[in-house]
Order: sequence, then C-alpha cells, then structure tokens
Amino acid sequence: GAVVSQHPSWVICKSGTSVKIECRSLDFQATTMFWYRQFPKQSLMLMATSNEGSKATYEQGVEKDKFLINHASLTLSTLTVTSAHPEDSSFYICSASDRGGDNEQFFGPGTRLTVL
Amino acid sequence: GQQLNQSPQSMFIQEGEDVSMNCTSSSIFNTWLWYKQDPGEGPVLLIALYKAGELTSNGRLTAQFGITRKDSFLNISASIPSDVGIYFCAGQPSNSGYALNFGKGTSLLVTP
Repeated sequence: GAVVSQHPSWVICKSGTSVKIECRSLDFQATTMFWYRQFPKQSLMLMATSNEGSKATYEQGVEKDKFLINHASLTLSTLTVTSAHPEDSSFYICSASDRGGDNEQFFGPGTRLTVL
Repeated sequence: GQQLNQSPQSMFIQEGEDVSMNCTSSSIFNTWLWYKQDPGEGPVLLIALYKAGELTSNGRLTAQFGITRKDSFLNISASIPSDVGIYFCAGQPSNSGYALNFGKGTSLLVTP
C-alpha cells in the first residue's frame, strides 16, 4: 500500500525559532499533499493544500507567512513553522494522494511539535 | 471547511459487542472515508466509499454511503480489544476539489 513518512516524529524547540517538517511519499508520486493540524482530543483541521511545483492553497485563518509550504518534488513536501510560539504546539499530519487528490489520502504518522 | 457531525462522541463496550457510528452533513459529499487513529499516530484508512448507496465491507467493518449523499455509517461487528482507538469519518464535498472535511471523531473503548 501507499506509504507516507514524516520527519521528525517529534520536536521540541524554543519560542521564536523555526521548525521544518518533511512529508515524503515513499512508494508513489504525490501530485497533491495536504497539511493538517490536530490539537489534543480534537479532529484534524486542514491547513493547506500543496500541489507540486505551485504555491500552496491555505485554508481561511491559516497564516501563509507563518506556515511556509514547499512542494518541490512529487515525493516531498515541507512545512516550516516560522517564529514558533507555544500556541503553535500541536500534532501536524500530512497526507498525500496519488490520483490528484480526488480519492484516497494516505496519511503520515504525524509530527508532535512542542514550543517552549 | 465544514466539519461533519459525528456521533457518538465516545463508546465504552464489552468485547464481542457490535458497534455503530455515523456522520452527517448539511451538504452533499462525493466521497466518504472512514479512518482509525491510534494515539500519537496518523489516521489509517479503513474504508472508502465512492457512490451513493454503496455498502462496503472490510473484515468485521461495514460502511455505507447514504443515498442522499449527506451521511454515512460505520459498523464494527464482534469487537475485540485492538479495535480501541478514535474513528474519524471524512468527506469530500462536491465543490471543494480535493479537500477532506473531518468529523470530530468517535472514541472507542473495548473491555475484555
């Protein structure tokens, strides 16, 4: 089956620093990747949709200058949380689709970000 | 995006019992998906539904895409302890392109 990896699995950083999270599709080419955020005991909330070679589309209320997304290849998308603050602490999950995103999305294992 | 109405919020059952959970939406969906998420991990796809009225099984799991395209249910038969986790429904609205909207999840606890 389709496998999606994320790195790192968890990260702890100081307030004001930037953190980069990688999302990779290991055995398929992902034309579309999605970034979600999940707070404890809550559902997944879509942050942005990323298409290879083009700018990401951000959901309402998500700051594009704070959450930088780069989808440079068909197997890699990165999310950079710039100038992280404690309220950015969350579980960040990416997903990828191998059919243009019109059907199944395969999720990564998530990255736990804690900002001190 | 619009969040789906998923119920129940939590269930506490004994091993061997059947489980049913459902999701509803005020708008039409093209696709319904059911995921299971274990603590600290990403969601894992259980069942995908693509046509209104479709009934699909995956082992002890059965899910249906409502005929009105605004709802879906997931049944788990003869539950076992490893069924413990949070189950999410997700739908792809007809006008959203590729985005998925998620329900708030159903937390399932199974006692031996």
